[in-house]
Amino acid sequence: DGGITQSPKYLFRKEGQNVTLSCEQNLNHDAMYWYRQDPGQGLRLIYYSQIVNDFQKGDIAEGYSVSREKKESFPLTVTSAQKNPTAFYLCASSISARRTSGAYNEQFFGPGTRLTVL
Amino acid sequence: GQNIDQPTEMTATEGAIVQINCTYQTSGFNGLFWYQQHAGEAPTFLSYNVLDGLEEKGRFSSFLSRSKGYSYLLLKELQMKDSASYLCAVRTRGYGGATNKLIFGTGTLLAVQP
Repeated sequence: DGGITQSPKYLFRKEGQNVTLSCEQNLNHDAMYWYRQDPGQGLRLIYYSQIVNDFQKGDIAEGYSVSREKKESFPLTVTSAQKNPTAFYLCASSISARRTSGAYNEQFFGPGTRLTVL
Repeated sequence: GQNIDQPTEMTATEGAIVQINCTYQTSGFNGLFWYQQHAGEAPTFLSYNVLDGLEEKGRFSSFLSRSKGYSYLLLKELQMKDSASYLCAVRTRGYGGATNKLIFGTGTLLAVQP
């Protein structure tokens, strides 16, 4: 079955530690995205990548880092510089806008990782 | 700036019809999406509008007016399983090339009561 997986579903870390969240997709999508969701707030874009070996900062990139070495994988590292890391993190993927200008080109979301920093 | 507004919460009765509104002020509009998200789960795609008018998909319909910066999601024959958050998201155009970036509203939490 094609889809997006994120692991783990729940993650606990001590303050001051870096932590890496996994995101893998087998949908053959070029574009991948990381969002953060907090209670009472909409999804906010952290980083996105339109193609392998390329990525751009979103609206709230400070304290986060990413890599895109493979098409299928887009891991997110939450560093100790992120002041409020406790949140629900969602990864998504889509056909790159550069490949098609029409159709829906909707983003498909993974199940999310709930990170709690103690 | 870029802004998307939705009501925070709504309540409706099983079997009834509910309309969830979304207004937006964004630069370079390139389509509007509605997603459904159950608590603690991933958002799932419901509908997409890029031209003015109504798009119907079964019990769900979505309307767009680009001149008014306005959309609504209409849910008919409500079922208990429709209790969820409904997210409005606008796709914008990027400078120097197309992107598929979305700006999300805060979501509307719909409670369906028996």
